[in-house]
Amino acid sequence: GENVEQHPSTLSVQEGDSAVIKCTYSDSASNYFPWYKQELGKRPQLIIDIRSNVGEKKDQRIAVTLNKTAKHFSLHITETQPEDSAVYFCAASIKRRGEEGAQKLVFGQGTRLTINP
Amino acid sequence: EAGVAQSPRYKIIEKRQSVAFWCNPISGHATLYWYQQILGQGPKLLIQFQNNGVVDDSQLPKDRFSAERLKGVDSTLKIQPAKLEDSAVYLCASSLGWWVSKQFFGPGTRLTVL
Repeated sequence: GENVEQHPSTLSVQEGDSAVIKCTYSDSASNYFPWYKQELGKRPQLIIDIRSNVGEKKDQRIAVTLNKTAKHFSLHITETQPEDSAVYFCAASIKRRGEEGAQKLVFGQGTRLTINP
Repeated sequence: EAGVAQSPRYKIIEKRQSVAFWCNPISGHATLYWYQQILGQGPKLLIQFQNNGVVDDSQLPKDRFSAERLKGVDSTLKIQPAKLEDSAVYLCASSLGWWVSKQFFGPGTRLTVL
């Protein structure tokens, strides 16, 4: 299928706490999972991505974990700061119909993260 | 490195009018994408070009939307005639190769159809 489910739709955490956003996908052929951050009125910015040959990737305060068996992946932000407030989108590559090996990205609905000072 | 450029940034039209958006991808990027982002939703792929050829337009409403990428660089997306439900941000993105990989987005064009 072409669905990528993202939860929660909104998340509010205290500054310094951790935030976790989860996504599930249905295509067992999915092998690329990026996360984008979109501030109000601005373009989506890639913040981290992971391929299916690894289970976890970390970049400073941001980490992504992937569970291929359960078909879900998560974004973890530690020591949250006010500038982390934004909408976060997950995406998963899915098989394009009728073209062997070709894939495209399908995005989740987004999570609005608010960091409270 | 210059990013993906788009113009105009904002456009307001009345329903049944036509509109065109322009995109200039990152230099050297072979793949160009047009996405539609309705308020409160994630980007939805409309069309994907590999150089100047279309590789996916399965979600493009072809009765009113058209796109081209002449010479494999710049691209234009046109809507004719526009409907109220076309109000959205139209995002252009580009990536280096043909395989699914890091996509870099432009600032988008916010279209309002009255």
